[in-house]
Amino acid sequence: QKEVEQDPGPLSVPEGAIVSLNCTYSNSAFQYFMWYRQYSRKGPELLMYTYSSGNKEDGRFTAQVDKSSKYISLFIRDSQPSDSATYLCAMTDVNAGNNRKLIWGLGTSLAVNP
Amino acid sequence: GAVVSQHPSRVICKSGTSVKIECRSLDFQATTMFWYRQFPKQSLMLMATSNEGSKATYEQGVEKDKFLINHASLTLSTLTVTSAHPEDSSFYICSARTRLSRALGNEQFFGPGTRLTVL
Repeated sequence: QKEVEQDPGPLSVPEGAIVSLNCTYSNSAFQYFMWYRQYSRKGPELLMYTYSSGNKEDGRFTAQVDKSSKYISLFIRDSQPSDSATYLCAMTDVNAGNNRKLIWGLGTSLAVNP
Repeated sequence: GAVVSQHPSRVICKSGTSVKIECRSLDFQATTMFWYRQFPKQSLMLMATSNEGSKATYEQGVEKDKFLINHASLTLSTLTVTSAHPEDSSFYICSARTRLSRALGNEQFFGPGTRLTVL
């Protein structure tokens, strides 16, 4: 079993739709959870991060963490064609020291159609 | 702020040659740098982690003699693919971490990537 599972999609939605992206994980030591967005042939960029359980909102984006279920979500409201990209979840155990690394999901490919 | 550059952005080489890729943090000092490779429609695969002035820590299955990493300063890391073969063709991305980043220093800032094609 992979440490982080993420459905690769592709996911295709009409403009204005609410998008829900999800990851599950198996390591209960993970405490920091991040969502990165990657456009084609570019490096990923950090969209949202959360620590422990709860919700965090930033504009049209909401990140949600449920540690009891080992499940994280990213919601995109009023989706735009410019949101078309691959969304990768990543997480880490902050107690792992200087060499701590991000454990990545496979990434979900999202297409928002005008 | 927090810009990471990579050079070259694209390289095509003959089988058996060596290729060097540079990763620079332009406006911050990176405590740790990471090298990833990514195949089409696949996730990032971590190759190695390097801290300035010390030897890189390679992930299981990554040949350290094949992929030489040098982290000479807090703003520069290089990856050299030695005796490249067609199966080494991939998208190589570096990232850097700094204590001053968001998410308590866990955020990684990524370069734009280098597309390597070995003929």
